[in-house]
Amino acid sequence: DGGITQSPKYLFRKEGQNVTLSCEQNLNHDAMYWYRQDPGQGLRLIYYSQIVNDFQKGDIAEGYSVSREKKESFPLTVTSAQKNPTAFYLCASSTRRLAAGTDTQYFGPGTRLTVL
Amino acid sequence: DAKTTQPPSMDCAEGRAANLPCNHSTISGNEYVYWYRQIHSQGPQYIIHGLKNNETNEMASLIITEDRKSSTLILPHATLRDTAVYYCIVRVVTRAGNMLTFGGGTRLMVKP
Repeated sequence: DGGITQSPKYLFRKEGQNVTLSCEQNLNHDAMYWYRQDPGQGLRLIYYSQIVNDFQKGDIAEGYSVSREKKESFPLTVTSAQKNPTAFYLCASSTRRLAAGTDTQYFGPGTRLTVL
Repeated sequence: DAKTTQPPSMDCAEGRAANLPCNHSTISGNEYVYWYRQIHSQGPQYIIHGLKNNETNEMASLIITEDRKSSTLILPHATLRDTAVYYCIVRVVTRAGNMLTFGGGTRLMVKP
């Protein structure tokens, strides 16, 4: 099956701990993205990567870090510096790197992180 | 960046067409209109996108006005499973790539 997987679906952590969320895709997409969603709100972009070994900050990158060592994987680390980490985290991927024509983003099922 | 305005909520009777409006009066000539939907606690699902012409696929139709300042997503025969939040998004084109800016969306409730 082709698609984007995120694990785990639910994650609980104590305050002050770093936690890493997994995102894997087998769609051969170049670009990958991380979004955060708070209850009743739209999605906000945290980080994105257009190509392996390169990534850029989105609108709310503070307190987060990412890596892109493989095309298929784009893990997100929520650090203790993130003041309000409890949220629903969504990973997405798309085919194109640069602004040309259209590139549809496809989303994973999400990880709901709760910090106690 | 072109912003979008959608009604916060709408109801639709099962089996009827659901028409979801979106205003994007500041859209630029090369910006596409995308529609996604999100069923509770799931990732957003791509529905359709368009630039100028009306588009149709197996899920929905997209009607874009001639001046491109607004659009309407049409679900021709809404079912209970179409209950979701629908996001109208204008795709922002940057030097680094293509970003989707999600607003609050329209919460569509399909009722029996």
